Amino acid sequence: NAGVTQTPKFQVLKTGQSMTLQCAQDMNHNSMYWYRQDPGMGLRLIYYSASEGTTDKGEVPNGYNVSRLNKREFSLRLESAAPSQTSVYFCAISGRKVGNTEAFFGQGTRLTVV
Amino acid sequence: AQTVTQSQPEMSVQEAETVTLSCTYDTSESDYYLFWYKQPPSRQMILVIRQEAYKQQNATENRFSVNFQKAAKSFSLKISDSQLGDAAMYFCAYRTPIYNFNKFYFGSGTKLNVKP
Repeated sequence: NAGVTQTPKFQVLKTGQSMTLQCAQDMNHNSMYWYRQDPGMGLRLIYYSASEGTTDKGEVPNGYNVSRLNKREFSLRLESAAPSQTSVYFCAISGRKVGNTEAFFGQGTRLTVV
Repeated sequence: AQTVTQSQPEMSVQEAETVTLSCTYDTSESDYYLFWYKQPPSRQMILVIRQEAYKQQNATENRFSVNFQKAAKSFSLKISDSQLGDAAMYFCAYRTPIYNFNKFYFGSGTKLNVKP
């Protein structure tokens, strides 16, 4: 039972390159999220998907796009990477039932844009 | 958007002693959820403890306990008998009510150092 699987774990991009971060879950949760973590700023929400077929912007969506491919998978795309997107990215999931409300996280992706 | 504030960027504690990490949040909701997450150098996010706002009793998990003051919008974490393995970043998190999009908001984190 892997929980939340996030790939890749590390990536170096040149400015202007594109890439997609993949996230897959096997916990059958409805809600999925993409966060970025920067020093001194905690985790900031990029995009989220409350359920299959829906996506919404979070606090810092500029420069990113997402796809909720099915209930299991939620991808994050950087169309034209910029140095300001250097960060650690986390995919997370959560349920909607009382007693099952915490977020479960992937292992994170350290992205460096040079 | 809700805000979560952790005013202590870094704290230190002697092994076996007790330390309290502070967290305040801003919300107009009455039914929400609060969490503390631990992030060791491995980068993994680990749930430490959770509190449902509708419960008056403070949550406890072994050496970890919270002081939840709903009116003051305060949610502090107390770690008793601190161990070297407790050294990590700690994040306070607020989750919106189940009927309201399940969004999580995180504080900026407190780095906890444990001295032997």
